[in-house]
Amino acid sequence: AQSVSQHNHHVILSEAASLELGCNYSYGGTVNLFWYVQYPGQHLQLLLKYFSGDPLVKGIKGFEAEFIKSKFSFNLRKPSVQWSDTAEYFCAVNAGDMRFGAGTRLTVKP
Amino acid sequence: GAGVSQSPSNKVTEKGKDVELRCDPISGHTALYWYRQSLGQGLEFLIYFQGNSAPDKSGLPSDRFSAERTGGSVSTLTIQRTQQEDSAVYLCASSSRRADTQYFGPGTRLTVL
Repeated sequence: AQSVSQHNHHVILSEAASLELGCNYSYGGTVNLFWYVQYPGQHLQLLLKYFSGDPLVKGIKGFEAEFIKSKFSFNLRKPSVQWSDTAEYFCAVNAGDMRFGAGTRLTVKP
Repeated sequence: GAGVSQSPSNKVTEKGKDVELRCDPISGHTALYWYRQSLGQGLEFLIYFQGNSAPDKSGLPSDRFSAERTGGSVSTLTIQRTQQEDSAVYLCASSSRRADTQYFGPGTRLTVL
């Protein structure tokens, strides 16, 4: 069965630091890949997605993710985080069934 | 149009009682999903509806959990004889088709005392 692994459970950064959140999945076929974000007290929102084409995907609020097929990875990046990026981030993989990672809590210190 | 809506936003119940949680998907979305989010956990898939097809119930944790979707739109998740371990946030999502982006509702926070 497919699974999604997010290696970092809690990441603490200072403002302006660079961010990279890891996501790996275990499925060899064609997949659609997503990152969702959940800000405190709000519902899950789509940050970005990859279906096909350019493996470097740009999303909202300066986030981007790179699909590396050979590594089964879809890591999320942002060059300079802001306090308002404090949230929980979920990676998800859809190969017919959507499966979510356990989430990474990001805390950005002002 | 409007996003996915869920009601109630919060539900406190006593152990052993039955609860019903409602989800109203985005108009025109044929796919509807229920997930459970427990503290510190990811999203646990519960059940999936696609149009008039038989639902995928593979994620339901026990036979106390059931769901229906009437008229291909509104869905109700029912938990019978609630237990304390059922306490969680129950999320509903809808999408235009199975592999596409899922749009989430605000969730129902269930607390079983």
